[in-house]
Amino acid sequence: DTGVSQNPRHKITKRGQNVTFRCDPISEHNRLYWYRQTLGQGPEFLTYFQNEAQLEKSRLLSDRFSAERPKGSFSTLEIQRTEQGDSAMYLCASSLGVSANSPLHFGNGTRLTVT
Amino acid sequence: GQQVMQIPQYQHVQEGEDFTTYCNSSTTLSNIQWYKQRPGGHPVFLIQLVKSGEVKKQKRLTFQFGEAKKNSSLHITATQTTDVGTYFCAGPRNAGNMLTFGGGTRLMVKP
Repeated sequence: DTGVSQNPRHKITKRGQNVTFRCDPISEHNRLYWYRQTLGQGPEFLTYFQNEAQLEKSRLLSDRFSAERPKGSFSTLEIQRTEQGDSAMYLCASSLGVSANSPLHFGNGTRLTVT
Repeated sequence: GQQVMQIPQYQHVQEGEDFTTYCNSSTTLSNIQWYKQRPGGHPVFLIQLVKSGEVKKQKRLTFQFGEAKKNSSLHITATQTTDVGTYFCAGPRNAGNMLTFGGGTRLMVKP
């Protein structure tokens, strides 16, 4: 199965620590998205890449968040100086195309717990 | 900015009963997509509607896009326990560069 892969699946960290998540999209997909989902809510858009270019960042994304997709393949999402409010499921999705009109293929997510 | 709202937030049904979830956008949408998320799982794409008034069926699921392209519905006939999960609608915004998801409708089916 060559679906979207995310790791780690779970991450527990203490407040103030830095964490990094990785996403490997479907290989031929040029678009990669990061979403955040809290319990009982729909996915909230964080940022997206078209190939290696980061084209949009949500206002939800504070300066403590940074994402990269250095070679247009895998992506990393780093959160610095984590806060308890950062606890959530971080979902990565990929798609093929030049707009959000193409269906998103989601990974299983990384569940972050900040204690 | 664009908002996508879904009602109801939760729905309990007896197995065999029908179920409908409604999705409303504050702006006209070029298309709408529906996703299903099983408990503990990730959202999985179900269908995309593009044309005004479009109706599409997938077995017991019927999807409809409103004439004004600002609302949509998903109807499940004769629910089964395998239908359990949260159903999300999503519409593109920012010149179609990203999807905004609704809050979802969580369906619970009693056997």
